[in-house]
Amino acid sequence: EVQLLESGGGLVQPGGSLRLSCVASGFTFNNYALGWVRQTPEKGLEWVSDISGNGGNTFYADSVRGRFTISRDNSKNTLYLQMNSLRVEDTALYYCAKEAGSTAYGHLDSWGQGTLVTVSS
Amino acid sequence: DVVLTQSPLSLPVTLGQPASISCRSSQSLVYSDGITYLTWFQQRPGQSPRRLIYKVSNRDSGVPDRFSGSGSGTYFTLKISRVEAEDVGVYYCMQGTRWPLTFGQGTRLEIK
Repeated sequence: EVQLLESGGGLVQPGGSLRLSCVASGFTFNNYALGWVRQTPEKGLEWVSDISGNGGNTFYADSVRGRFTISRDNSKNTLYLQMNSLRVEDTALYYCAKEAGSTAYGHLDSWGQGTLVTVSS
Repeated sequence: DVVLTQSPLSLPVTLGQPASISCRSSQSLVYSDGITYLTWFQQRPGQSPRRLIYKVSNRDSGVPDRFSGSGSGTYFTLKISRVEAEDVGVYYCMQGTRWPLTFGQGTRLEIK
């Protein structure tokens, strides 16, 4: 059974940084691309970033490009999202999600439970 | 960016009756490989999104056959043949054909 467990969310001031983690199990980690999706009541679901199975290819939404960095450690079955220069509008529930293959994107076939990020002074 | 417009945004349905949600895309969702990467998710109250349908009409494992997806090009539909109480929640379409991945606004299904 695929399991994705996010952590690292919390309260941070505008301009601050946070690193999210997502520990995966139940599948061969390096064989699958992974992504981050965030959700707010106002904007619904918003894709944030994706990374290929070997970590060599990364993709970002314009709203986070240059501020967020997605990475993975295949030896630890862990996905990361380093978030810098955080803004109030980054406040959201952040989900990690599994893709359908190492370079197959836009499938998001399994999701974690999410970790809440609140950016506020 | 590809804009996905869902309708209706709110869908009250009587138990046992059918339901239909549409998702209209601002651009064709046919990828260069000929496949259309249109996905439907269900999000029950208090839960994470769950994928129901991928590539327009393929049901995920464990999804009841009362759920079906159809469509092509820029217009897609999710149908529930007979709504059950466990179907309450918000339904989202998503396109995976073009970067960035984008979602519809969501349709809230409730029992009348």
